[in-house]
Amino acid sequence: QVHLEQSGAEVKKPGASVKVSCKASGYSFTDHFIHWVRQAPGQGLEWMGWINPSNGDTNYAQKFRGTVTMTRDTSNSTAYMELSRLRFDDTAVYYCAREGSFGSGSYVFDFWGQGTLVTLSS
Amino acid sequence: SYVLTQPPSVSVAPGQTARLTCGGDNIGRKPVHWYQQRPGQAPVLVVYDDSDRPSGTPERFSGSNSGNTATLTISRVEAGDEADYYCQVWDNDSDHWVFGGGTKLTVL
Repeated sequence: QVHLEQSGAEVKKPGASVKVSCKASGYSFTDHFIHWVRQAPGQGLEWMGWINPSNGDTNYAQKFRGTVTMTRDTSNSTAYMELSRLRFDDTAVYYCAREGSFGSGSYVFDFWGQGTLVTLSS
Repeated sequence: SYVLTQPPSVSVAPGQTARLTCGGDNIGRKPVHWYQQRPGQAPVLVVYDDSDRPSGTPERFSGSNSGNTATLTISRVEAGDEADYYCQVWDNDSDHWVFGGGTKLTVL
């Protein structure tokens, strides 16, 4: 069965960087894009970007260009999201999600990780 | 950038029908997906391509999309349906995924 296991909670200081991992199992890692979505406390979902695990291509949301880097390690079926120059408003739960399709030609986020809480504290 | 607008909250009594809307410019031309998020949990896809249900989604959940409004309809609402619901579309112009702000469904 498909499973995305994320790394544990982090506490960071403003200006630092954080790297969150997302280990995939139960399917061929290189067959599906991985997306990153974050959710600030009490707020909605915010799409950050995707990585194609097959070739490493990325597409970042405009807001995060310059601060986010998405990478992958195909030998370990793991995707990573690194966010730099952290600010207090980066406090959020960060989710990875697999992109899948039901054959209709459109894509959805069909499996999600459990989320990783990143807290900014001085 | 493309904007999706959802009412912050909807309340409904058990057994009644809940209609959650998602507004966007000509959204009827785009496939809309809906996610359910219970407190403390990751989102779960409940409807895709406007009105299709993945396996595991009860038939009580249905969707429609026309003009400037997409709608997720939950019939015979149960206490377990209480959650936040988010609509999602792909914006071709920006090459970005977009989520609505979410609607909190309260079962009275």
